[in-house]
Amino acid sequence: AQRVTQPEKLLSVFKGAPVELKCNYSYSGSPELFWYVQYSRQRLQLLLRHISRESIKGFTADLNKGETSFHLKKPFAQEEDSAMYYCALNSGYALNFGKGTSLLVTP
Amino acid sequence: EAGVAQSPRYKIIEKRQSVAFWCNPISGHATLYWYQQILGQGPKLLIQFQNNGVVDDSQLPKDRFSAERLKGVDSTLKIQPAKLEDSAVYLCASSLELAGAKVEQFFGPGTRLTVL
Repeated sequence: AQRVTQPEKLLSVFKGAPVELKCNYSYSGSPELFWYVQYSRQRLQLLLRHISRESIKGFTADLNKGETSFHLKKPFAQEEDSAMYYCALNSGYALNFGKGTSLLVTP
Repeated sequence: EAGVAQSPRYKIIEKRQSVAFWCNPISGHATLYWYQQILGQGPKLLIQFQNNGVVDDSQLPKDRFSAERLKGVDSTLKIQPAKLEDSAVYLCASSLELAGAKVEQFFGPGTRLTVL
């Protein structure tokens, strides 16, 4: 069964501190993973995808097939990073989302 | 470019009533998705269209939910009759092509449904 697990419902860090949002998946095929973000009063939008191997707004995520993880990291959190973050797995044609982690960056 | 449009933004109905949601995807996007997001959960796919054909509706409760995309552009999602557990945000999304490793889905603002 395809499943995406985000173990933390809420993560609170201080501005300038490193942040790591955890995502674990279960999938029998070759996984295609994404991070989507929803800022307050805005639409859900793509943050990054594993295939691009890029850094967006200072965030990176590495696919670790051995640990079946796709954790989202940023070395120095900013207040504007406060948002809801969803990890998503493309299983066939559909996106399977985790429950999300609310990130709060405090000054 | 204009984003995905949805209406209404909010709807309050009583259980056993009917409700319909409308979605207009980004121009040129062949694939359209309807998601249900219950409070505290991630979005769950209900149905996916490629042009005017259904690709996946395996998680659509077909005894009460229906959706159509007759001309391959706009889409409507209907619930008849509604139950209390249908209270959720209904998200519409679109993409240029079927979901894949490189495909970005663009989401609408959602319709918040409250069933009393």
